[in-house]
Amino acid sequence: ETGVTQTPRHLVMGMTNKKSLKCEQHLGHNAMYWYKQSAKKPLELMFVYNFKEQTENNSVPSRFSPECPNSSHLFLHLHTLQPEDSALYLCASSLRISGGADYEQYFGPGTRLTVT
Amino acid sequence: AQSVAQPEDQVNVAEGNPLTVKCTYSVSGNPYLFWYVQYPNRGLQFLLKYITGDNLVKGSYGFEAEFNKSQTSFHLKKPSALVSDSALYFCAVRDIGSIYGGATNKLIFGTGTLLAVQP
Repeated sequence: ETGVTQTPRHLVMGMTNKKSLKCEQHLGHNAMYWYKQSAKKPLELMFVYNFKEQTENNSVPSRFSPECPNSSHLFLHLHTLQPEDSALYLCASSLRISGGADYEQYFGPGTRLTVT
Repeated sequence: AQSVAQPEDQVNVAEGNPLTVKCTYSVSGNPYLFWYVQYPNRGLQFLLKYITGDNLVKGSYGFEAEFNKSQTSFHLKKPSALVSDSALYFCAVRDIGSIYGGATNKLIFGTGTLLAVQP
């Protein structure tokens, strides 16, 4: 798990707070992802960044705002969240090269978010 | 639409016995298939993948998976289970259309199977 790190590991926030989740990958990858993992639901892809450009927004509410300043860092800015947003938020990265070569995604340990 | 199904919420097996965690898929074209494992309070760890070639794929921690095109399955197996194998296992398929379109690297995950290995 040292390849992809996430901070904080646990976060409790009120519905009116603003907070940010941070992800950093040390693998030289060029694609990064945010996933949401809720109990008894499939893993949900939220955002995809390829070469720092957002290429996927999977109908995520605007109260979640991603930011990718460079290929190694990914943020998820949170504001006015709802209790149903409580979940484990996972960051992942992968190496993507032209021609469609396929490499697996590597995940961070996640941030356990509780919205009160 | 591409999808993956894990029909069992939980699999129980005694230590030392062989284990199988089932996965079936539905894709258009050739599938890219993956298995991941998640231990409590941890992220997902990559176990193995099938892209092309030999239908039997070997991965980490002694796990292997068999790709069966006629049955559209990609079951995870291990000859002898360990208590430390107890975890949540996810099967995933890559969205092939997105790859060829150059848009995204989407992975579509199953709902997960909890593997419990009893000593």
